[in-house]
Amino acid sequence: RKEVEQDPGPFNVPEGATVAFNCTYSNSASQSFFWYRQDCRKEPKLLMSVYSSGNEDGRFTAQLNRASQYISLLIRDSKLSDSATYLCVVNSAGSQGNLIFGKGTKLSVKP
Amino acid sequence: NAGVMQNPRHLVRRRGQEARLRCSPMKGHSHVYWYRQLPEEGLKFMVYLQKENIIDESGMPKERFSAEFPKEGPSILRIQQVVRGDSAAYFCASSPTGGDLPQHFGDGTRLSIL
Repeated sequence: RKEVEQDPGPFNVPEGATVAFNCTYSNSASQSFFWYRQDCRKEPKLLMSVYSSGNEDGRFTAQLNRASQYISLLIRDSKLSDSATYLCVVNSAGSQGNLIFGKGTKLSVKP
Repeated sequence: NAGVMQNPRHLVRRRGQEARLRCSPMKGHSHVYWYRQLPEEGLKFMVYLQKENIIDESGMPKERFSAEFPKEGPSILRIQQVVRGDSAAYFCASSPTGGDLPQHFGDGTRLSIL
């Protein structure tokens, strides 16, 4: 089983749609979780941290289910500028900080 | 620009040459991480450094690759005797402390081996 697994997509949605991405991780001892976005040939940019209680930042909502080792990202009212690859990222348990990246889910928002 | 600075942005080398990639962390950050992204792949951890110390190099290939973060100056990722398979984007990230804090990434160095 891969350490961090995501559906690669692509997800093709119209502007204004709501879209959800899921991610599973294999190491139950992992403690920190993040969503990053990566535009084509650019660096990953932190979108949001993910907390057990769930958290929201504008149109973005992240959820964590530790029992199922499952992380989700919900994007409401999609914009053209949301088109990117969304990376599920988990802190490597037992390490002092290195991150484990999923391969990403590609989102394309169409007018 | 107070972000993570990497240079060069693009680097072309012939097989057998050496490649040196530089990374200056964000101001106030003393923890540096290097990641490699092969074409169509996710980022893979290579090495984690603090000033003058290698904390975790579990992701570094056993040969030809080395990294340092001296007391003064940027962190350097060095690849000796490059091969075609080294072609990738190399990203550096920094954080103020280790552990659970998010990491902030530089623009990356795209290494092409002819």
